[in-house]
Amino acid sequence: NAGVTQTPKFRVLKTGQSMTLLCAQDMNHEYMYWYRQDPGMGLRLIHYSVGEGTTAKGEVPDGYNVSRLKKQNFLLGLESAAPSQTSVYFCASSYLIQGKGKNIQYFGAGTRLSVL
Amino acid sequence: GENVEQHPSTLSVQEGDSAVIKCTYSDSASNYFPWYKQELGKRPQLIIDIRSNVGEKKDQRIAVTLNKTAKHFSLHITETQPEDSAVYFCAASTNAGGTSYGKLTFGQGTILTVHP
Repeated sequence: NAGVTQTPKFRVLKTGQSMTLLCAQDMNHEYMYWYRQDPGMGLRLIHYSVGEGTTAKGEVPDGYNVSRLKKQNFLLGLESAAPSQTSVYFCASSYLIQGKGKNIQYFGAGTRLSVL
Repeated sequence: GENVEQHPSTLSVQEGDSAVIKCTYSDSASNYFPWYKQELGKRPQLIIDIRSNVGEKKDQRIAVTLNKTAKHFSLHITETQPEDSAVYFCAASTNAGGTSYGKLTFGQGTILTVHP
């Protein structure tokens, strides 16, 4: 049981290049999320998904696209990378504990992305 | 949408002292408040959470208190140890009606340093 796995762990891009970050979870969770973490700004939600085939915008969605073709995978794409997208990206998955109103999110190890 | 403010941004204590981190939230409908700990270079992990129908919750050396009227909640760590050094994030979520899909809004984070 690996939990939440992110690939790659590190990446350096040039401005204008594209790339896809992969998130995979083996806990059969319905909900998946992509965050970016910048110093002093906490974790900000980029996009999320409430189930296979669904996606929705979060707090900072501009410049990113996502897809969830399979329940266990959530992909984050950068079509034309910009220096402002230099950040650490975390994927998370969760399930709602019905009747308890709790949502425990499990995070991947993160992807450190630099855009030059 | 929800806005979560967290203070202080940095906190330095001596081993054995207590540490308190405070958060305020804006959406009175928020009803679930987790705290995550992120060690250097690692992923965020849940350490304790509280629901809005509870005023206080303890787990060994850590406790969380919630004041719904004032819309603030706090993390208390007693008898701090060097291994408590990390970044701590508070978060808030609205699960009422199932339309929030477990989305968490995070505070900006507090860097806690425990000196031996």
